[in-house]
Amino acid sequence: DAGITQSPRHKVTETGTPVTLRCHQTENHRYMYWYRQDPGHGLRLIHYSYGVKDTDKGEVSDGYSVSRSKTEDFLLTLESATSSQTSVYFCAISATAEGSGANVLTFGAGSRLTVL
Amino acid sequence: AQSVSQHNHHVILSEAASLELGCNYSYGGTVNLFWYVQYPGQHLQLLLKYFSGDPLVKGIKGFEAEFIKSKFSFNLRKPSVQWSDTAEYFCAVNAGGGSYIPTFGRGTSLIVHP
Repeated sequence: DAGITQSPRHKVTETGTPVTLRCHQTENHRYMYWYRQDPGHGLRLIHYSYGVKDTDKGEVSDGYSVSRSKTEDFLLTLESATSSQTSVYFCAISATAEGSGANVLTFGAGSRLTVL
Repeated sequence: AQSVSQHNHHVILSEAASLELGCNYSYGGTVNLFWYVQYPGQHLQLLLKYFSGDPLVKGIKGFEAEFIKSKFSFNLRKPSVQWSDTAEYFCAVNAGGGSYIPTFGRGTSLIVHP
């Protein structure tokens, strides 16, 4: 979808194990985001990136870390997964923060994570 | 910090009924406003956006939204819904002037009965 690939699409893991979700884009967009989607909470921003090696925390960053070593990849890591991190995770990209295309997000297909 | 409120969490309509979903935001400056739609089992996609100019914006599939600055609102409308409009709808706001962190509302689940 529009040059964004998330992997894995589905994962079941156990509490305490590390998990890494990958977002790969072929659009060469500068901005990348990780959101989680939960019933009743909508979309909540976990972390975002505004360039290679430039990342920052969102509103629900506790328990998550990210890395962006190259433009096309944005990794989300759960160092020690907990049941509260069971969710659907969406990666999004945006080309620019200025002008008529500013902040229009293109989303990936999502990664459904279940932590038992 | 900006915030977004979507007052209707669940809406159930019959086909051909008119739709209006409320969205209010809290931010006093220039804003960019968006509605995204998520069809069952799919990812979010842009429905429409407002950056400047005509406060009545038209999007895909017959949707439109009106920006009322004095009310801090950006309500989504459609005159006649179809079964295929069953989806979750998210309002999002972004402070203008180069900010790139959109804030999303909690979403409204719309079910349209045939």
